[in-house]
Amino acid sequence: KAGVTQTPRYLIKTRGQQVTLSCSPISGHRSVSWYQQTPGQGLQFLFEYFSETQRNKGNFPGRFSGRQFSNSRSEMNVSTLELGDSALYLCASSSTGLSPLMVGGTATNEKLFFGSGTQLSVL
Amino acid sequence: EDQVTQSPEALRLQEGESSSLNCSYTVSGLRGLFWYRQDPGKGPEFLFTLYSAGEEKEKERLKATLTKKESFLHITAPKPEDSATYLCAVLSEGETSYDKVIFGPGTSLSVIP
Repeated sequence: KAGVTQTPRYLIKTRGQQVTLSCSPISGHRSVSWYQQTPGQGLQFLFEYFSETQRNKGNFPGRFSGRQFSNSRSEMNVSTLELGDSALYLCASSSTGLSPLMVGGTATNEKLFFGSGTQLSVL
Repeated sequence: EDQVTQSPEALRLQEGESSSLNCSYTVSGLRGLFWYRQDPGKGPEFLFTLYSAGEEKEKERLKATLTKKESFLHITAPKPEDSATYLCAVLSEGETSYDKVIFGPGTSLSVIP
């Protein structure tokens, strides 16, 4: 079974530009969640998509947005890039996502499968 | 405010020297606690999920335990290939109908031959 695929692997942009990152989840997984990882802040949750709907969002500004397609592939967009946006952006897929209550009330074996990430550098 | 902390920040062990990593959490409504291992340049790799106090999980040289306030990842007789950053994450009740996940800052483990 193929793992979670993120493209591109590395990206260099300048301030003010926008960027789109892509994530292809494991086949059959309907949930894709996005995370920002920096040395200072660690891993922080951005948002989660399930069946093309954003159902949870972290505390990031509106410059960070995403979407999910009918085949569960997801894209994340960051507009008006700032130097502080330099980070490793990770996506993770799971079958039921971050809301086990939605599938019966008990999280029996929920786990996230992460991609290798996109390293974004903003100059 | 929900919070997840990990200690120590970095740990250096001799091969074979057992130790424990700590993950302390303050959240409203714990749904589950996860341990991940992350190697440089890669995404986190799932290790364990724990759901209730008293639960324990084992995998090779690793054993994870959970209490109402913290989790420990015990490493028995570590080998150099165990060197990595170990992350814990807590799944907790969100303000809406959906849960939220909070990651700790991680513990960087180095095992010296």
